[in-house]
Amino acid sequence: GESVGLHLPTLSVQEGDNSIINCAYSNSASDYFIWYKQESGKGPQFIIDIRSNMDKRQGQRVTVLLNKTVKHLSLQIAATQPGDSAVYFCAENPIDNFNKFYFGSGTKLNVKP
Amino acid sequence: SQTIHQWPATLVQPVGSPLSLECTVEGTSNPNLYWYRQAAGRGLQLLFYSVGIGQISSEVPQNLSASRPQDRQFILSSKKLLLSDSGFYLCAWSPTGNSPLHFGNGTRLTVT
Repeated sequence: GESVGLHLPTLSVQEGDNSIINCAYSNSASDYFIWYKQESGKGPQFIIDIRSNMDKRQGQRVTVLLNKTVKHLSLQIAATQPGDSAVYFCAENPIDNFNKFYFGSGTKLNVKP
Repeated sequence: SQTIHQWPATLVQPVGSPLSLECTVEGTSNPNLYWYRQAAGRGLQLLFYSVGIGQISSEVPQNLSASRPQDRQFILSSKKLLLSDSGFYLCAWSPTGNSPLHFGNGTRLTVT
């Protein structure tokens, strides 16, 4: 299902450090997951996706980990840069209606120079 | 390549006035189309989605409606706006279900 948070949790990291952003999804029937990055005043931008038959997927400087047992998704960003500062959302796609995507409440990432 | 256009970028409307937000997609055919709303500091709430012309699925009963008069055109409407309709409205498309959504740059609606 869909979850909407009351406020955005914030993660502050030093430039060059690795960042880990977490997401707990609600529907055990979801089988496709996406991470999005949203900069202020803009629409969300696709970062990386993973399907439920995988535990890990790597992109350029980003890695997504999926733990279906505890319904947990994480996004790891290596060597975080100031341009990574944004709000990050996970989205889940339920297997019983693959036309829908439900978004988490988001995490704000602040990268300190 | 595919592009998605949303307009206007910002809109200020009085309570009780009508609303029409338009979204068009170029470079693809028969896309899935979506309207999401985002309140300040919150996640995205799915409002409507469409898998074809004239086919609209509503997620949340509310003061809004959606229409898809053409394959690549998606319109969000209201007959009478409420203060609670204020928010950031995002249109998105995907080539099929179970594939990534691609978002427009949104419309910031303020109802006064």
